[in-house]
Amino acid sequence: GQQLNQSPQSMFIQEGEDVSMNCTSSSIFNTWLWYKQDPGEGPVLLIALYKAGELTSNGRLTAQFGITRKDSFLNISASIPSDVGIYFCVNQGAQKLVFGQGTRLTINP
Amino acid sequence: DTGVSQNPRHKITKRGQNVTFRCDPISEHNRLYWYRQTLGQGPEFLTYFQNEAQLEKSRLLSDRFSAERPKGSFSTLEIQRTEQGDSAMYLCASSLGTDLNYGYTFGSGTRLTVV
Repeated sequence: GQQLNQSPQSMFIQEGEDVSMNCTSSSIFNTWLWYKQDPGEGPVLLIALYKAGELTSNGRLTAQFGITRKDSFLNISASIPSDVGIYFCVNQGAQKLVFGQGTRLTINP
Repeated sequence: DTGVSQNPRHKITKRGQNVTFRCDPISEHNRLYWYRQTLGQGPEFLTYFQNEAQLEKSRLLSDRFSAERPKGSFSTLEIQRTEQGDSAMYLCASSLGTDLNYGYTFGSGTRLTVV
């Protein structure tokens, strides 16, 4: 089945730093999604990417759909305490979402 | 509140007992999904409904698990004869078809602990 590999698995940064994380897959994707999960809550959609090479921003977040269609990255600029959480790359199939294992972001004030 | 509602938020049960969780989706959403998330992992698909019809079940959904959506609105997930390996967060999500413009809306989950 599909496998999504996210790196790094965890990050410890200082407030104000920029963050970069990525995701690779064993299969070609038609859609890349990035979700964030706050502690004790369900995941929330951050950014959706629909075309190879597409670069999309949402506030301080920027994500790109890799040209090979097998990878994507997510950048967060000028991190703030509320950015803490787990970030998942996700593939949307016809019937379900397939999640990576997540990148856990911790921010030191 | 127009989000996805899950009850209870937490459940502690003894091994061997049955448990039932409830999910109330966004009212106009015709699709409802159940996912399971264990510690340190991403959510894994269990099953989904389109209206009242259960259209797909993951092999993760053993015979001890059953899900229903009798009137195409709320859904229940029952686990019979719980095992310690069932301890996880059970997440419900709903969507309007597979329209990517809306995406999936997840509830806050039910955290199950089997002791």
